[in-house]
Amino acid sequence: DIQVTQSPSSLSASVGDRVAITCRATQSISRYLNWYQHKPGRAPELLIYAAYNLRTGVPSRFSGSGSGTDFTLTINSLQPEDFATYYCQQTYTTPWTFGRGTRVDIK
Amino acid sequence: QVQLQESGPGLVKPSQTLSLTCSVSGASFGSGDYFWTWIRQPAGQGLEWIGRIYSNGGINYNPSLKSRVTISVDTSKKQFSLKLTSVTAADTAVYYCARADAFMAGYYFQYWGQGSLVTVSS
Repeated sequence: DIQVTQSPSSLSASVGDRVAITCRATQSISRYLNWYQHKPGRAPELLIYAAYNLRTGVPSRFSGSGSGTDFTLTINSLQPEDFATYYCQQTYTTPWTFGRGTRVDIK
Repeated sequence: QVQLQESGPGLVKPSQTLSLTCSVSGASFGSGDYFWTWIRQPAGQGLEWIGRIYSNGGINYNPSLKSRVTISVDTSKKQFSLKLTSVTAADTAVYYCARADAFMAGYYFQYWGQGSLVTVSS
């Protein structure tokens, strides 16, 4: 199985900060890496697909980069509604796997 | 607007079978390049992909659950289902259904159900 490792596992940030979350795969997954935002009691929401494609309706402060084994989700100018847990997911090959999540808290 | 909704018992006894159904509306169910999928999240843990089924019945399961999982589809009812046998407390989780849409050679989950909490307890 391809494992995806996220870091950090949690971070504290202030409104307006720039935040970066990384995801590393155990082997090359080309660009087949997605990012989701998850809030308690709700279903995860797709933010970025195929490494850097912004889902329609997602604010442009979210961006994704990377290919191969190393990927980054960047949130520019963190907003109050962005405090949540973020997951990366590889769909290069089954079993599709998720990172363990990065919790973004208010500092 | 594509919508998915999980349904099924919220409490299952150990060693019994967990059964959930996902009803789909607002989408063409029997065609299109996507998979219908199940994902779960135990309390305080991350997301785990359980398996996927194509509209033509092609199926893939997570090897970690393969011996206990069955996913099926009923195109006429626009539903797909999950069965997990011989459950233990470790299977207690929020279970999500989702649609995996194709993009180039990969997939992404744009549409999710709201999630169904299943507790395994006697």
